[in-house]
Amino acid sequence: SQQGEEDPQALSIQEGENATMNCSYKTSINNLQWYRQNSGRGLVHLILIRSNEREKHSGRLRVTLDTSKKSSSLLITASRAADTASYFCATDASGSRLTFGEGTQLTVNP
Amino acid sequence: DAGVIQSPRHEVTEMGQEVTLRCKPISGHDYLFWYRQTMMRGLELLIYFNNNVPIDDSGMPEDRFSAKMPNASFSTLKIQPSEPRDSAVYFCASSLLGVSRYTFGSGTRLTVV
Repeated sequence: SQQGEEDPQALSIQEGENATMNCSYKTSINNLQWYRQNSGRGLVHLILIRSNEREKHSGRLRVTLDTSKKSSSLLITASRAADTASYFCATDASGSRLTFGEGTQLTVNP
Repeated sequence: DAGVIQSPRHEVTEMGQEVTLRCKPISGHDYLFWYRQTMMRGLELLIYFNNNVPIDDSGMPEDRFSAKMPNASFSTLKIQPSEPRDSAVYFCASSLLGVSRYTFGSGTRLTVV
């Protein structure tokens, strides 16, 4: 089964609203990363949070990590139509490479 | 830095033909990954290299698939013979350390008819 599982699978919101996506994983990690994929493009790294960190910010992105619950969330504030994309979490539980989840498809309606 | 460069961007080929996908990783990165993405199976890791040496090829679907990395700046993924079910977007990614941030290429969209 997937190490990282995103929830929800799909999310549709209006421009200006906040979008929250969640990621759960099964085994201990050293870091967790979030990536974005625009349609027809490669994945782009957004943010990395280490296991000893609880929260991290980057512009309109806020990532939290709860190692006791083995979960992370990605919050995009004041969403824009350009934020429409798939969002993936990835963990390093395997030790030598990242394991990606199945992604959340976010649609931001103008 | 031009990023990870993949070629071709699109490939349409007939069933049974050989297909070669190419990747140039970011200079200095010592890990290179090949992924396949489809609607049905999502993002699948096919194989990855460390310092040009294949580390794990357990994701390669069949013997029809092979990958090489003759030097630090070039890798190929070959499918011979190709089949319609190989149709997918193939991504190459590189990183400095296997679990640090990955940089993905733009992908090759393969269609086998």
